[in-house]
Amino acid sequence: EIVLTQSPGTLSLSPGERATLSCRASQSVSSSYLAWYQQKPGQAPRLLIYGASSRATGIPDRFSGSGSGTDFTLTISRLEPEDFAVYYCQQYGSSSWTFGQGTKVEIK
Amino acid sequence: QVQLVESGGGVVQPGGSLRLSCAASGFTFSSYGMHWVRQAPGKGLEWVAFIRYDGSNKYYADSVKGRFTISRDNSKNTLYLQMNSLRAEDTAVYYCAKRAAAPSYMDVWGKGTTVTVSS
Repeated sequence: EIVLTQSPGTLSLSPGERATLSCRASQSVSSSYLAWYQQKPGQAPRLLIYGASSRATGIPDRFSGSGSGTDFTLTISRLEPEDFAVYYCQQYGSSSWTFGQGTKVEIK
Repeated sequence: QVQLVESGGGVVQPGGSLRLSCAASGFTFSSYGMHWVRQAPGKGLEWVAFIRYDGSNKYYADSVKGRFTISRDNSKNTLYLQMNSLRAEDTAVYYCAKRAAAPSYMDVWGKGTTVTVSS
């Protein structure tokens, strides 16, 4: 089973700053099979990025994804107040889906 | 609009059983695979199970294999999760999620239903 490790665990930033979140896989992951989700307290996750770099419908262009192989990155170019949340990466392989443990982006 | 609504959660004793339901609307349910994903209190997301659009194939996380069964009734636009031999560590919010056009991710999620396993 592929393990996804996200870092940092918590990111303390101010609105307007740039956020860079990392997701590292224990084995190579096809870029087509890497996604990112946002989850706010008390809410269901929301799809942000699929195929490592494609934004889901309605997602602002301040969110971008990149990476390949074992290293993937979610970047939020300028944090808006509504972006403070927990972010999860997720991969698919061999009829199994796994999530990273999450990165919390909190207001500094 | 596309909507998923889970139900059936509650408090159950260890070793007990529970069946969750997920009612789908706003899309052609019979054309899409469906997932169950759970989240223990204060923890991250854990994929639980997947069923293909026609029910022909089912896949499970090792943590639930042999205890949980995913199924669907396309005539009722409803997804199910039968949970048997429940353990304290199964306590979580259970979400149903729709498979996207590609198999690798989930593009629509329900709001979840809470399962508590406690004596």
